[in-house]
Amino acid sequence: ETGVTQTPRHLVMGMTNKKSLKCEQHLGHNAMYWYKQSAKKPLELMFVYSLEERVENNSVPSRFSPECPNSSHLFLHLHTLQPEDSALYLCASSQDRGGDAGINEQFFGPGTRLTVL
Amino acid sequence: DQQVKQNSPSLSVQEGRISILNCDYTNSMFDYFLWYKKYPAEGPTFLISISSIKDKNEDGRFTVFLNKSAKHLSLHIVPSQPGDSAVYFCAASALVDKLIFGTGTRLQVFP
Repeated sequence: ETGVTQTPRHLVMGMTNKKSLKCEQHLGHNAMYWYKQSAKKPLELMFVYSLEERVENNSVPSRFSPECPNSSHLFLHLHTLQPEDSALYLCASSQDRGGDAGINEQFFGPGTRLTVL
Repeated sequence: DQQVKQNSPSLSVQEGRISILNCDYTNSMFDYFLWYKKYPAEGPTFLISISSIKDKNEDGRFTVFLNKSAKHLSLHIVPSQPGDSAVYFCAASALVDKLIFGTGTRLQVFP
């Protein structure tokens, strides 16, 4: 496998279900991200992990719970979601060089299309 | 409040002609700008970027222009090819690694 992979690619769940999205990067990067893309809205940054520590949490509801066990894996645990949470969830990774190195290009996975019934 | 705006949801261009995709931003602290391309069922892929210290960056058929006074950037693709048909996202950053994305412009290049 190369690049950034995400599983599952499609997920349909009820509001009372618990499910998890998985992301794996094979690029040796040290930062990983979760984004949400809803129809006709900009990509929204949800969480950022750098060196396995969460450095960003953009006011995301607690029904979304991220987990980063190591620099190659990122999970998004889902619990009691709402229909409005239906969206494409994208994972990305980058090499965080910090300081004044400038923005680091992010590599995206193909996304998980989530439908909440 | 949307800090990065792509006001044209779609654009249709004939093969061989120039495609111009536009992006406006409101935050004067943004100092790095990127364009991503997205095909259906795939994640966005990085295309080209520009730092705020430059006003132009060119990579093959792709050129990005930055007008800081107007808070405007554009992506030029010339000549356009059918394989360029995709959704193009503009993104901006004021902090390392935090990107703010626009809503995207769907480009269709027809023969």
